[in-house]
Amino acid sequence: EAGVAQSPRYKIIEKRQSVAFWCNPISGHATLYWYQQILGQGPKLLIQFQNNGVVDDSQLPKDRFSAERLKGVDSTLKIQPAKLEDSAVYLCASSSVTSGVYEQYFGPGTRLTVT
Amino acid sequence: AQSVTQLDSHVSVSEGTPVLLRCNYSSSYSPSLFWYVQHPNKGLQLLLKYTSAATLVKGINGFEAEFKKSETSFHLTKPSAHMSDAAEYFCVRGGSARQLTFGSGTQLTVLP
Repeated sequence: EAGVAQSPRYKIIEKRQSVAFWCNPISGHATLYWYQQILGQGPKLLIQFQNNGVVDDSQLPKDRFSAERLKGVDSTLKIQPAKLEDSAVYLCASSSVTSGVYEQYFGPGTRLTVT
Repeated sequence: AQSVTQLDSHVSVSEGTPVLLRCNYSSSYSPSLFWYVQHPNKGLQLLLKYTSAATLVKGINGFEAEFKKSETSFHLTKPSAHMSDAAEYFCVRGGSARQLTFGSGTQLTVLP
């Protein structure tokens, strides 16, 4: 089966600009996650969707970050305006109710550099 | 908050020698624990998982981990390192709502 797809793979922007990332989960996976991975750290969950509803967005900086999952399939994560500390890899993952508990499938990530 | 601590940020071994990556977890009733591997420019991949069945868990590529409740540890081992094992390894804990909490990672270098 096809894996989790993300685009773009790399993005360089200046601070105060906006940026959007796209994720296409594995077909049939109802749960979708966005993580932020800062260099030298483990991934940190930003937001979790179940179908097109938000399960948890407690760690999403809502003053500048937004995410949506229209129709319960693809998802976009937006940052507006970007700050230097947003430089990180943004990972998307998906899981299904039939996969093992906690078993998430990760995409290759989008590496964001804010200058 | 329930978490995991990876005791080494970098580990270097020679090819053919054993690998030990250490992880401790904060105490909890029946934690679910995992090891994930991240190769450069590739997605995170599940190596193995512990979900309160056998305490010795075997994973892919010859890796295994032992859950030790008395030591609150879940160390990852492999008898003989291969060059292709060079990557970043994350100890991960499962929480509510199927969420994962990652450790800070251990970068494994394999020397020829």
